[in-house]
Amino acid sequence: GQQLNQSPQSMFIQEGEDVSMNCTSSSIFNTWLWYKQDPGEGPVLLIALYKAGELTSNGRLTAQFGITRKDSFLNISASIPSDVGIYFCAGRAGTASKLTFGTGTRLQVTL
Amino acid sequence: DTEVTQTPKHLVMGMTNKKSLKCEQHMGHRAMYWYKQKAKKPPELMFVYSYEKLSINESVPSRFSPECPNSSLLNLHLHALQPEDSALYLCASSHSGGAGQPQHFGDGTRLSIL
Repeated sequence: GQQLNQSPQSMFIQEGEDVSMNCTSSSIFNTWLWYKQDPGEGPVLLIALYKAGELTSNGRLTAQFGITRKDSFLNISASIPSDVGIYFCAGRAGTASKLTFGTGTRLQVTL
Repeated sequence: DTEVTQTPKHLVMGMTNKKSLKCEQHMGHRAMYWYKQKAKKPPELMFVYSYEKLSINESVPSRFSPECPNSSLLNLHLHALQPEDSALYLCASSHSGGAGQPQHFGDGTRLSIL
């Protein structure tokens, strides 16, 4: 079945630094979604991408839909303490309603 | 605050109990989902309802029984669960079940099986 590999698995950064993480797939997706999950809460949608090459921003967050349709990237600029959490990518292939989730990137921000 | 509401927030039950998890959304979404999430792992899809009909069952054991009474409500009935079923159960909804419709999640029910 489809698998999404997310990297890095975890990151420890200082407040103010920029963050980059990516997600790669063994097959093509036509939708990429990025979620953030805080402890004790459900995943919250950050950015949705629908076209290869698409670059979309949401405040300090920018995500890109890879040209090959097998990868996606999320960047966070000027990180702040509330950016701490687990970031999941999720992809959808074809017209299926099923989402495949990445393995997650745990972000820790130090002051 | 999430627009998908799940109750209860926490549930502890014995292996012989019968309980139900509830999920409600008032966004007019016609697709609803149940996921199971273990600690430090991504959510795993269990069931999908599209227009109140079960469209996907990811080979979930029959001790989990979903129900969609109407377009706003989704239940998950639990019976004779095992300790390994302890997890966070997440409900999600989307405008429809088709491509291009992002899923919005509730905060989950944390289930512990004794």
